[in-house]
Amino acid sequence: SYELTQPPSVSVSPGQTASITCSGDKLGDKYACWYQQKPGQSPVLVIYQDRKRPSGIPERFSGSNSGNTATLTISGTQAMDEADYYCQAWDSRRVVFGGGTKLTVL
Amino acid sequence: QVQLQESGPGLVKPSETLSLTCTVSGGSISGYYWSWIRQPPGKGLEWIGYIYYSGSTNYNPSLKSRVTISVDTSKNQFSLKLNSVTAADTAVYYCARDMGKYQLLNAFDIWGQGTMVTVSS
Repeated sequence: SYELTQPPSVSVSPGQTASITCSGDKLGDKYACWYQQKPGQSPVLVIYQDRKRPSGIPERFSGSNSGNTATLTISGTQAMDEADYYCQAWDSRRVVFGGGTKLTVL
Repeated sequence: QVQLQESGPGLVKPSETLSLTCTVSGGSISGYYWSWIRQPPGKGLEWIGYIYYSGSTNYNPSLKSRVTISVDTSKNQFSLKLNSVTAADTAVYYCARDMGKYQLLNAFDIWGQGTMVTVSS
């Protein structure tokens, strides 16, 4: 079955750029999306179709997808961006989530 | 704006059936795909399956033998049944909407608040 792999944790200093990767076989041939989840809250879609931002998502969130890796980039990271981030794709008629990455802003 | 609300028992006995309902408010269930997703405590997200408003379904192969998702457009609701549950089915269960209208975009733009279901005797 298809798998998406994310690093368990990423750390970033406030104001710097955070990059979270998501790896899967030929992931660049599929659409990837990203969710942000804060403790005790439901996930929030921050990027869909590789690089599109839903209404209300700050411009500092951006995405890319090529080869075997999709990347979520947060520019000018703020303390409020500290959260778990999940990538997601579609393969063989099945939704697949990555294992999640805990982003720490310190 | 569209909101989703899960409802159902918070405690289910092993080997019994877990039943949840998601009520859609502020908009119509028509035209969209609706999914169930779960998250065991401290773990990641797992997609359970989806239903189109017309009634067609697609399930995660790992759960397919135990899952049924149904829709009631007259009530603007869709439901999940998961049978023969074990402790491994203990999780927060979310309902969610695929953002594509009359098409599957495989991105969930609206989520319910989630409901914790514990499997225990």
